[in-house]
Amino acid sequence: GENVEQHPSTLSVQEGDSAVIKCTYSDSASNYFPWYKQELGKRPQLIIDIRSNVGEKKDQRIAVTLNKTAKHFSLHITETQPEDSAVYFCAASSPGNQFYFGTGTSLTVIP
Amino acid sequence: DARVTQTPRHKVTEMGQEVTMRCQPILGHNTVFWYRQTMMQGLELLAYFRNRAPLDDSGMPKDRFSAEMPDATLATLKIQPSEPRDSAVYFCASGSQGLHRRVFFGEGSRLTVL
Repeated sequence: GENVEQHPSTLSVQEGDSAVIKCTYSDSASNYFPWYKQELGKRPQLIIDIRSNVGEKKDQRIAVTLNKTAKHFSLHITETQPEDSAVYFCAASSPGNQFYFGTGTSLTVIP
Repeated sequence: DARVTQTPRHKVTEMGQEVTMRCQPILGHNTVFWYRQTMMQGLELLAYFRNRAPLDDSGMPKDRFSAEMPDATLATLKIQPSEPRDSAVYFCASGSQGLHRRVFFGEGSRLTVL
């Protein structure tokens, strides 16, 4: 099955700086890569996703890049704000299969 | 605004009792997942259904856990008998298939077994 690794497990940045979280996957058939944000005591919420026919996708301060050859994808948050503090999960999914999640990155944005 | 609905939101029970958690997937979604999360740890997959059929429950302790989908609008996760180590937040998620598939999570059921 798929194996998704996520790094780093914790990340602290100063407000206004950028944050980058990286994930690798093992199954070359995976073609859908969502990112979820989970605030304390709340459910994971989908914040952005990318499909294998696209190399990069951006939504305001959030962007995701995908390198299918190297089997890795990354989440980029620019101009970080305190409300970006949360746990972020990446996931990988192949057609017809379940979603495999990374182990999460706890992001702290220091005001 | 379509949402995955889970009940109960909170449950406190004593060891040995049966616990049933329920999930109503988003209308039209044909995949349902059950995940367990402890102390803001990773999301541990317990069961995965597609078109109400269980496709993967390898992450679920078979001796005490069971998951079913009696119909397309209801998924259940049952623990019998419950143990203190089962204390966690249980998330249900539903999604669609195909190229434009997306998965959305319910609010979770926080279980405490004393």
